[in-house]
Amino acid sequence: GAVVSQHPSRVICKSGTSVKIECRSLDFQATTMFWYRQFPKQSLMLMATSNEGSKATYEQGVEKDKFLINHASLTLSTLTVTSAHPEDSSFYICSARVNKYSGANVLTFGAGSRLTVL
Amino acid sequence: GNSVTQMEGPVTLSEEAFLTINCTYTATGYPSLFWYVQYPGEGLQLLLKATKADDKGSNKGFEATYRKETTSFHLEKGSVQVSDSAVYFCALSDGGYQKVTFGTGTKLQVIP
Repeated sequence: GAVVSQHPSRVICKSGTSVKIECRSLDFQATTMFWYRQFPKQSLMLMATSNEGSKATYEQGVEKDKFLINHASLTLSTLTVTSAHPEDSSFYICSARVNKYSGANVLTFGAGSRLTVL
Repeated sequence: GNSVTQMEGPVTLSEEAFLTINCTYTATGYPSLFWYVQYPGEGLQLLLKATKADDKGSNKGFEATYRKETTSFHLEKGSVQVSDSAVYFCALSDGGYQKVTFGTGTKLQVIP
């Protein structure tokens, strides 16, 4: 089945540094990937939609300069949290849209990346 | 806009008990409905889905029926196991699957 790999699974960084999270589709091409953020005991919040070869589409309230998204190839999207602060600590999850032969598109999710900013 | 409402957890059950996690939704048009499961320390996995009214999604003993008249997609399992302990998210997406709206998740704890 379709697999999305996310790396790193856990990262701890100092306040003010930048952190890059990678999201790869391993056995399929993903023209569209989605980045979510999950707050403790809350649901997933869609941050942005990443389109291969074009600029990402950000949801309202998400800072573009803070969360840089690059979708340089059909199998890789990256999220860079710039100048991270403790309030950016969260669980970040990416997903990719997979076309199934049944005609019903579904999303495949990565395992997530837990960011802790000290 | 679209929204998904789930029952609050945590839900604590004994092994082999019957499980129901309620989910209702608000959407324009004809959304597809999903249940995702998140095991501790892992990302989300698709558990089951239904794409049109009266469809029943099923997987691993879990079932959910797309009820358009009540705008519901309740998750059920006849006999839960300890290994079912996880957080369950109800979700919907509109045509094109450009955006998925999630509920807040319901934590299930199954005790031996």
